[in-house]
Amino acid sequence: EAGVAQSPRYKIIEKRQSVAFWCNPISGHATLYWYQQILGQGPKLLIQFQNNGVVDDSQLPKDRFSAERLKGVDSTLKIQPAKLEDSAVYLCASSSPGGGGETQYFGPGTRLLVL
Amino acid sequence: AQSVTQLDSQVPVFEEAPVELRCNYSSSVSVYLFWYVQYPNQGLQLLLKYLSGSTLVKGINGFEAEFNKSQTSFHLRKPSVHISDTAEYFCAVKTSGSRLTFGEGTQLTVNP
Repeated sequence: EAGVAQSPRYKIIEKRQSVAFWCNPISGHATLYWYQQILGQGPKLLIQFQNNGVVDDSQLPKDRFSAERLKGVDSTLKIQPAKLEDSAVYLCASSSPGGGGETQYFGPGTRLLVL
Repeated sequence: AQSVTQLDSQVPVFEEAPVELRCNYSSSVSVYLFWYVQYPNQGLQLLLKYLSGSTLVKGINGFEAEFNKSQTSFHLRKPSVHISDTAEYFCAVKTSGSRLTFGEGTQLTVNP
């Protein structure tokens, strides 16, 4: 079974530029998550989708971050314009719906450096 | 809202020694508890999880954890570590309907 795929793996941009990350979840997983992991910290949820609907985006900085999952499969996370503090690893995860204790499966992440 | 505290940011041990990584949580309702491992430049991989039932949970790679409700703890243990266990370990807590909340992580370094 293929895991969660993410691209690109690495990205370097200058502040005020825009950037987009792509995620393909495990086949059949209805729930998709985007996390931000700043160096030395645990992952923090940015947004959660159930199929193509948003379940939780309370921690997404909506003035600069956006995400979509148009057909309920792939997802794209965009930052526009980027700030220095956006330097982090962006992790995508997916899961099957469950009663709350479902396992989230993580992709390898996209490492973003904003100069 | 729930929270997680990992009590040690770094744990150095020698190969074949036992190890315990400590995790305490805070929640006013019943919780689900997880331990994930992250190897360099990789995503997170589930080691084990506690949902209900037996408080001793066994996971992959010889790891186990014990849920202690009275002490609100979920410490991770391994009786004999290998060099390949060197990684970052994250404890995480979730309640029904809430998001998964991670601790700050513990860097386990196994020395020869």
